[in-house]
Amino acid sequence: QSALTQPASVSGSPGQSITISCTGTSSDVGAYNYVSWYQQHPGKVPKLMIYDVGNRPSGVSNRFSGSKSGNTASLTISGLQAEDEADYYCSSYTTSGTWVFGGGTKLTVL
Amino acid sequence: QLQLQESGPGLVKPSETLSLTCTVSGGSISSSDYYWGWIRQPPGKGLEWIGNIYYTGTSSYNPSLKSRVTISADTSKNQFSLKVSSVTAADTAIYYCARRNYGSGRRDYWGQGTLVTVSS
Repeated sequence: QSALTQPASVSGSPGQSITISCTGTSSDVGAYNYVSWYQQHPGKVPKLMIYDVGNRPSGVSNRFSGSKSGNTASLTISGLQAEDEADYYCSSYTTSGTWVFGGGTKLTVL
Repeated sequence: QLQLQESGPGLVKPSETLSLTCTVSGGSISSSDYYWGWIRQPPGKGLEWIGNIYYTGTSSYNPSLKSRVTISADTSKNQFSLKVSSVTAADTAIYYCARRNYGSGRRDYWGQGTLVTVSS
């Protein structure tokens, strides 16, 4: 199985909104609504930010939102803050009954 | 509060078998509500799903690792384990155990991770 495709990096200024894309195929992202997003600060454990395309766990800021269209899922962060600077990974279930991650996106807050 | 803790050797020789255990506290791995799995992250690189196990003992694996990986569970100890055989330097990574909700992609509890280095 191939990794999902994410941009290597994105950036934005404080207060702005950014969107990170996660492109898969009809065998993963496009097949199920089981796309998740994780935030990882350097040296830290990944943290679940969005699950099942657009659901936020309790405690996660509502500045984080997720969506999906066809084979591409997206994570949008609004009102960008310095603490949002981190790596972000998407993940999806596949028609093979396995899971796949994206290559990761480094978010820089300018 | 659910906690997961990985344990095992931090150094493994090439061609040998990597063995890790994840001890779960504050919850039961015998619950039908969750899958228990392993994810790894080579230094400076991205996350890679290794596999998971359900309370019935059913497991699934990353196709790229399937021939070398086994995940098992010991319900009496509330632990699940990972074995990766014939390791090479490419298996050097931080290994995380995590819980995922049944019927969902919600993977909300992770262990702290343990670095395993493959070197002679």
